[in-house]
Amino acid sequence: QKEVEQNSGPLSVPEGAIASLNCTYSDRGSQSFFWYRQYSGKSPELIMFIYSNGDKEDGRFTAQLNKASQYVSLLIRDSQPSDSATYLCAFPSNDYKLSFGAGTTVTVRA
Amino acid sequence: NAGVMQNPRHLVRRRGQEARLRCSPMKGHSHVYWYRQLPEEGLKFMVYLQKENIIDESGMPKERFSAEFPKEGPSILRIQQVVRGDSAAYFCASSPLNRVSEEQYFGPGTRLTVT
Repeated sequence: QKEVEQNSGPLSVPEGAIASLNCTYSDRGSQSFFWYRQYSGKSPELIMFIYSNGDKEDGRFTAQLNKASQYVSLLIRDSQPSDSATYLCAFPSNDYKLSFGAGTTVTVRA
Repeated sequence: NAGVMQNPRHLVRRRGQEARLRCSPMKGHSHVYWYRQLPEEGLKFMVYLQKENIIDESGMPKERFSAEFPKEGPSILRIQQVVRGDSAAYFCASSPLNRVSEEQYFGPGTRLTVT
């Protein structure tokens, strides 16, 4: 079983809609989770991190964590063409090593 | 405050040649991590270094790959006798502390193409 699995893409949403991205992880001991955005040909950029069960909102982004189900999601509200990118979820597999999912590519149609 | 710097940004090597990738961490950061991203895949951890020390190289292929972070100068990821399967984007990240947190910053990456 892979450490981190993301819902397969690509995901295409119309402008203004909600994009929903999901990620499951295998390590029950994981305490923190990260969402990175990666534009084509660019480096990953951290956009959200979450440590506690529940929701965390930052602007148009909401991260949701359910440790019992080993599930973390990212919602992008009012999607904009500039949100078109690949989104990677990640968690620390130890104190310093990040394990990444394969990513979900999102395309926002104008 | 300059971010993490990597060079070259693009590197083309023929099979059998050596590739040297450089990473200068952010000012004040003494912890460097190298990740590799193969096409259509997520990033995979390769190695974690502090100044003059390799802390964890569990993600590095056993042969042909080596890394260093000297007391002075950038961290170097070295790939000897490159093969086509080494073609990937190599990202370096740095942090001020030896813990994964929102403080781990990624450089722009080096895209290696082996012909």
